[in-house]
Amino acid sequence: KAGVTQTPRYLIKTRGQQVTLSCSPISGHRSVSWYQQTPGQGLQFLFEYFSETQRNKGNFPGRFSGRQFSNSRSEMNVSTLELGDSALYLCASSLGLVYNEQFFGPGTRLTVL
Amino acid sequence: GIQVEQSPPDLILQEGANSTLRCNFSDSVNNLQWFHQNPWGQLINLFYIPSGTKQNGRLSATTVATERYSLLYISSSQTTDSGVYFCAVDDRTGANSKLTFGKGITLSVRP
Repeated sequence: KAGVTQTPRYLIKTRGQQVTLSCSPISGHRSVSWYQQTPGQGLQFLFEYFSETQRNKGNFPGRFSGRQFSNSRSEMNVSTLELGDSALYLCASSLGLVYNEQFFGPGTRLTVL
Repeated sequence: GIQVEQSPPDLILQEGANSTLRCNFSDSVNNLQWFHQNPWGQLINLFYIPSGTKQNGRLSATTVATERYSLLYISSSQTTDSGVYFCAVDDRTGANSKLTFGKGITLSVRP
């Protein structure tokens, strides 16, 4: 069974631009979660989607948004990029039921100049 | 929210040595996972262990949920074990869930 895939793997943007990251979960998994990893803050939860609905949201500004499609693929968008948005963005998928193990993709490394 | 603390923050071992990595959490949890982050940043699942003991080759893990801690044991360490080890707990409220991560333990295994 194929794992979680994320595209693109690397991105370089400039301040003020916007970016869209994509995540395809493991086949059959209906929950997709997004995390941001930075050296200063570590791994932080962004949001979780299940059956095209945002089920949980972390403490991030409204510039960070996401959505999930009917095939469970998910995208996250960051608008008006700031230097501090430079990070590794990780996507995780799970069955979405109670107490499920989460599996992570390889991540998208975003650099904002 | 729930707090997750990992110790020690850094660990240096000689190849062949054994080690114990600790994860403490501040409240009851429904899920606990251990991950190894590879040099390219991907989190590799090691254990899904909300309670009890599991073993996978040279690695084993024990979670004592009532005492709010988990231990990851690495035996006969190899240089390929180097990297960052994360403990994460499911900070579930109702139907929502999110993983709350510790700051990680950086393991260096010297040949």
